Amino acid sequence: DVKVTQSSRYLVKRTGEKVFLECVQDMDHENMFWYRQDPGLGLRLIYFSYDVKMKEKGDIPEGYSVSREKKERFSLILESASTNQTSMYLCASRATGAGELFFGEGSRLTVL
Amino acid sequence: GDSVTQMEGPVTLSEEAFLTINCTYTATGYPSLFWYVQYPGEGLQLLLKATKADDKGSNKGFEATYRKETTSFHLEKGSVQVSDSAVYFCALTYNTGNQFYFGTGTSLTVIP
Repeated sequence: DVKVTQSSRYLVKRTGEKVFLECVQDMDHENMFWYRQDPGLGLRLIYFSYDVKMKEKGDIPEGYSVSREKKERFSLILESASTNQTSMYLCASRATGAGELFFGEGSRLTVL
Repeated sequence: GDSVTQMEGPVTLSEEAFLTINCTYTATGYPSLFWYVQYPGEGLQLLLKATKADDKGSNKGFEATYRKETTSFHLEKGSVQVSDSAVYFCALTYNTGNQFYFGTGTSLTVIP
C-alpha cells in the first residue's frame, strides 16, 4: 500500500521554538510538497521539491524553510514558531508527469 | 490564470438523499480534474479523477463528469450515507509542472 507518512500527528510548541515536521514517502516520487490548511482558506502551498536538494517557494513561504537530503524525505522547518503558524500541515508527493497527489495524514501544530 | 471554485458549505443532508457539490474551473490549458475527500482528523484522499473532456470519474458511488463546455466537474452521489460526512475538495492540475489548484472545500454532514 502506497504511503506518505508524517512523523507527528499532533504537536504543541511555544512561541520562538524551532519546529521540525518530517515527511517520508515510499513511492519513489520525485516531487514532494508541504501545504498548510486553515478553515476558510483551503490548502495553501508552502514549498515543494522536485528533486533531492531542490526546492521551490510556494504561495506562503515566509517563516518556513525546507530540507530534502534524500528522495523519500521532505522536512518542513519553522525556525522560530509564532502563534499565527498554528495550523494543519499536510505533506504530499507525486510522480513526475503523473496526475494525483498522495497526502499524508497531516500534522496539527499548535503554537502557544 | 487557473483556478477552481466550488460551492460554499456546509451542506447537511439526510441519509439516502441525493448529493451534488458544484465545481467550476478556469484553465489556461487542458488540465486533469480531481475530487479529494478529507475525513475528520485525516489527510486528503483521492476520491476520483478525470483526465480529459467528457471523461467520467467514479468511485464509492460518487461520480463526476469533466465538462469542457461548461468548465465544470460537479460531484454527485445518488444516496449518501452517514459515513460520507467529510470535506470535499475539487482540484485541477497539469501533467507538466507542479501546480495544483484546489477549491476551498465543501463540508458535508449526513444525518441519520
